[in-house]
Amino acid sequence: ETGVTQTPRHLVMGMTNKKSLKCEQHLGHNAMYWYKQSAKKPLELMFVYNFKEQTENNSVPSRFSPECPNSSHLFLHLHTLQPEDSALYLCASSQDGQYTDTQYFGPGTRLTVL
Amino acid sequence: AQKVTQAQTEISVVEKEDVTLDCVYETRDTTYYLFWYKQPPSGELVFLIRRNSFDEQNEISGRYSWNFQKSTSSFNFTITASQVVDSAVYFCALIFTSGTYKYIFGTGTRLKVLA
Repeated sequence: ETGVTQTPRHLVMGMTNKKSLKCEQHLGHNAMYWYKQSAKKPLELMFVYNFKEQTENNSVPSRFSPECPNSSHLFLHLHTLQPEDSALYLCASSQDGQYTDTQYFGPGTRLTVL
Repeated sequence: AQKVTQAQTEISVVEKEDVTLDCVYETRDTTYYLFWYKQPPSGELVFLIRRNSFDEQNEISGRYSWNFQKSTSSFNFTITASQVVDSAVYFCALIFTSGTYKYIFGTGTRLKVLA
């Protein structure tokens, strides 16, 4: 079974919609991450959860709202997004949330905001 | 400023050629880590290597090798005898902690290996 799964793989939404991205890890890890990958821009770390507690929020707009109900699941709730939010959203997990940990990535959700 | 520069946007080579992907970084921290990741067309980033700032030993793993030089702030990645399966986008990343930890990724180098 794939270590980190993400659903949906593709999502198209209007600016007034509300949707959620889901990430699940089957590796027994304690830390999970959301990244944004925009075209021609460096990968940006958005949020970090360690043992279900949010430990990092890198100045992400409030229209992105993460949720981590347990160490295996991570959600990214989206509302009133802008076209510039269109990107590949990657989820990752690592053993303990140490910054030196190896992170294991999911395949991403390709989001298009119309 | 803390940054990672991958000046090569795209490289094309013919199978079996050697290819080097450049990574130059800037940081004020004395303790930091450098990573390389591979992103194949399927999308997920795959970890390749981690190196801390106190370990300048070069590393070889099969056809992959890495040259870390603090004097030039570079952490270059060489693929020997490239194969079509090496075609991907490769990212270099700098991780450091200044109160909270920060990940700085380069913009990536797209490698195309032609048969």
